[in-house]
Amino acid sequence: DIQMTQSPSSLSASVGDRVTITCRASQSITTYLNWYQHKPGRAPKLLIYAASSLQSGVPSRFSGSGSGTDFTLTISSLQPEDFATYYCQQTYSTPGFGQGTKVEIK
Amino acid sequence: QVQLVQSGAEVKKPGSSVKVSCKASGGDFSTSAINWVRQAPGQGLDYMGLIIPVFGPPNYARKFQGRVTITADKSTNTAFMELSSLTSEDTAVYYCARGKNYFDLWGQGTLVTVSS
Repeated sequence: DIQMTQSPSSLSASVGDRVTITCRASQSITTYLNWYQHKPGRAPKLLIYAASSLQSGVPSRFSGSGSGTDFTLTISSLQPEDFATYYCQQTYSTPGFGQGTKVEIK
Repeated sequence: QVQLVQSGAEVKKPGSSVKVSCKASGGDFSTSAINWVRQAPGQGLDYMGLIIPVFGPPNYARKFQGRVTITADKSTNTAFMELSSLTSEDTAVYYCARGKNYFDLWGQGTLVTVSS
């Protein structure tokens, strides 16, 4: 199975900050990498698919990059509604998620 | 607009089974992949498996093989996930989600509590 490792596991940031989350795959997954936002009591929400494509309706402050084994999710200017847990997911083989990154208010 | 509507919360005894449904309302899902993902309390997202109703055989994550059964009823646009031999570690919110390369539509989640 392909292992997905996110870092950091959690971070504290302020509104307006630039936030970067990284995700590393245990083998090449080309660009079969997606990012989700998850808030308590709600279903996960797709933000970025195929490593860098912005899902319809998602604000442009979210962006993704990378290919092969190393990927990043960037929030250019953190907004109050962005405090949540973020997961990367590979769909190169049987899908699997990273362990999550919790973004908290500083 | 297609929505995935899941069945309600369940409380089950250890050793029993649970069957959760996921109905696509407002559209046809027979050619879509329907996946199942769960989140145990304080844990991350855990992939369980998928079915593409028009193609038939489901595909299961290695962790759940032998204990999970995913089926679909094309006539009612409903997918089902049955998990057997439940333990307290199966207490979780179970989600269905549409998609093959990415999951763009999710059900609202179903809480399954396993308790004696």
